[in-house]
Amino acid sequence: SQQGEEDPQALSIQEGENATMNCSYKTSINNLQWYRQNSGRGLVHLILIRSNEREKHSGRLRVTLDTSKKSSSLLITASRAADTASYFCATDTNDYKLSFGAGTTVTVRA
Amino acid sequence: DTAVSQTPKYLVTQMGNDKSIKCEQNLGHDTMYWYKQDSKKFLKIMFSYNNKELIINETVPNRFSPKSPDKAHLNLHINSLELGDSAVYFCASSQAAAGNGYTFGSGTRLTVV
Repeated sequence: SQQGEEDPQALSIQEGENATMNCSYKTSINNLQWYRQNSGRGLVHLILIRSNEREKHSGRLRVTLDTSKKSSSLLITASRAADTASYFCATDTNDYKLSFGAGTTVTVRA
Repeated sequence: DTAVSQTPKYLVTQMGNDKSIKCEQNLGHDTMYWYKQDSKKFLKIMFSYNNKELIINETVPNRFSPKSPDKAHLNLHINSLELGDSAVYFCASSQAAAGNGYTFGSGTRLTVV
């Protein structure tokens, strides 16, 4: 079974708007990571947040982590057409694997 | 230079055939992985190797056999291919287990007909 579940499954926004997606997971984690996958391509690592961190920023990305609720969110600000992709959260439980959620498909309309 | 390269990119083959997918990383990472992504985009770990040693074999049929000749290579051999094996297979690598981000290859789309 999947460790992480993303919400929503799909998101369509206008260029310039913000996009927010959420991830919930089931077990205690070492860290949580977000990846982007463009159509027909591999996954690209975006950001990693450790279990003792609550918020992290990287450029237009903002990630939060609430370990008490076992949830994380990814915010993309001022979206661009190039942000159109699927976004996956992945949890690291320190056992030589990442467990991925089902992903959120984001479409940014020009 | 491609950090994690896998070949071939596309593979179309008949049921019952045996095929291999190769993966190489030039990042000096000590851990390599094979993931399977199905048509609904679910990504599932298949194998994890650390310093050439098998760490994870996640309930994968024994028709799938990974081989790691050295830290930089992790190949995947599949015997007696079945229709249900059709998927995209991703190789990835990381340093120090999953404590850092993974670097993924661009995937091999396997179609079994």
